[in-house]
Amino acid sequence: SQQGEEDPQALSIQEGENATMNCSYKTSINNLQWYRQNSGRGLVHLILIRSNEREKHSGRLRVTLDTSKKSSSLLITASRAADTASYFCATRTSTGNQFYFGTGTSLTVIP
Amino acid sequence: NAGVTQTPKFQVLKTGQSMTLQCAQDMNHEYMSWYRQDPGMGLRLIHYSVGAGITDQGEVPNGYNVSRSTTEDFPLRLLSAAPSQTSVYFCASSYWTRPREQFFGPGTRLTVL
Repeated sequence: SQQGEEDPQALSIQEGENATMNCSYKTSINNLQWYRQNSGRGLVHLILIRSNEREKHSGRLRVTLDTSKKSSSLLITASRAADTASYFCATRTSTGNQFYFGTGTSLTVIP
Repeated sequence: NAGVTQTPKFQVLKTGQSMTLQCAQDMNHEYMSWYRQDPGMGLRLIHYSVGAGITDQGEVPNGYNVSRSTTEDFPLRLLSAAPSQTSVYFCASSYWTRPREQFFGPGTRLTVL
């Protein structure tokens, strides 16, 4: 399988704390994206980082990419109860037309 | 814009039945794809298309067919449903000539008895 993996599988934190989740992937990539999925809903795009970028910010989100280690991390600062969701990384390979999703991190933010 | 729409939202089939899951987008996206989501497995790509008349297989294509006769529509056909195809199915679309995000539909929850 080409799927990546997120770590941890589940994360529970208090409101106001920071949440960090990691993604590892297997092949050379064109870009890496993070998505959020609320329970029973479709996925929503959060942020995209290109293979030649090392860090990107969007509001309370910070994404890093280390292509030498084939890994990425997503940091959500000052978490809110509304951030409770599953988070997935997705990679588009540099040679193919396919996107590969990781297995997801389930985040619970306790009010 | 309606974005990506999927019908039906829920479906129950008996083993051996066939059906078509509908997907449409109104954003003039070249790329469309179908995923299935199973517990603990994340999303796995079934089939994808980079434009009208062009389709290709993803990671788990067996038991499914697709066609892309227009830019807007990308139906997924289950030829002879099996219990292993019980899953939540998502359709997604995006531009292809530049790296952009995928837009997802709300999903179809399929149960095969």
